[in-house]
Amino acid sequence: EAQVTQNPRYLITVTGKKLTVTCSQNMNHEYMSWYRQDPGLGLRQIYYSMNVEVTDKGDVPEGYKVSRKEKRNFPLILESPSPNQTSLYFCASAPRSSYNSPLHFGNGTRLTVT
Amino acid sequence: KNEVEQSPQNLTAQEGEFITINCSYSVGISALHWLQQHPGGGIVSLFMLSSGKKKHGRLIATINIQEKHSSLHITASHPRDSAVYICAVGVFAGEYGNKLVFGAGTILRVKS
Repeated sequence: EAQVTQNPRYLITVTGKKLTVTCSQNMNHEYMSWYRQDPGLGLRQIYYSMNVEVTDKGDVPEGYKVSRKEKRNFPLILESPSPNQTSLYFCASAPRSSYNSPLHFGNGTRLTVT
Repeated sequence: KNEVEQSPQNLTAQEGEFITINCSYSVGISALHWLQQHPGGGIVSLFMLSSGKKKHGRLIATINIQEKHSSLHITASHPRDSAVYICAVGVFAGEYGNKLVFGAGTILRVKS
């Protein structure tokens, strides 16, 4: 089944403890991206990747890192999480290196930083 | 002013009604997406448009590039259509391609 898989679905952690949220797609998509969703602010883009080894900042990249060593994986790394990074995170992929193609979303990761 | 504006913010309809959700944008775009998010959080892509009109079942999406406006219509609405509907536009962002800018969403509740 074609899908975008995020793990974990839920994560509670403490300030400063490094964590990684994984994202994997099995559709050979070139484009992958991370978003966070917060009440009153909606969805905002964190980072995106046009292809392997090509990444760029979205609107809210501070406090996050990403890597794209393989086409299928695009992990989101929080080196030193803070409470303001408590949010619902979504990974998405698209076939081509452009937004002129349909998006496929993961199921989301709800992160709480205490 | 937000780059993407949706209206209405909240919408309550009776089952069977025809529903329209609007999206206006102020920037040049490569494409416009309509997304659906049910309670519980998962996001599903409904349509991707760069011109004209698309139809899928009871859902119809239109876009007018000159007026920078798109509409999502739901015919014969049903309680299972209750969800948040989000408009998103692909905005040109330099040499690496596009970034996605989202509207705030429209919360739709369809009563039986």
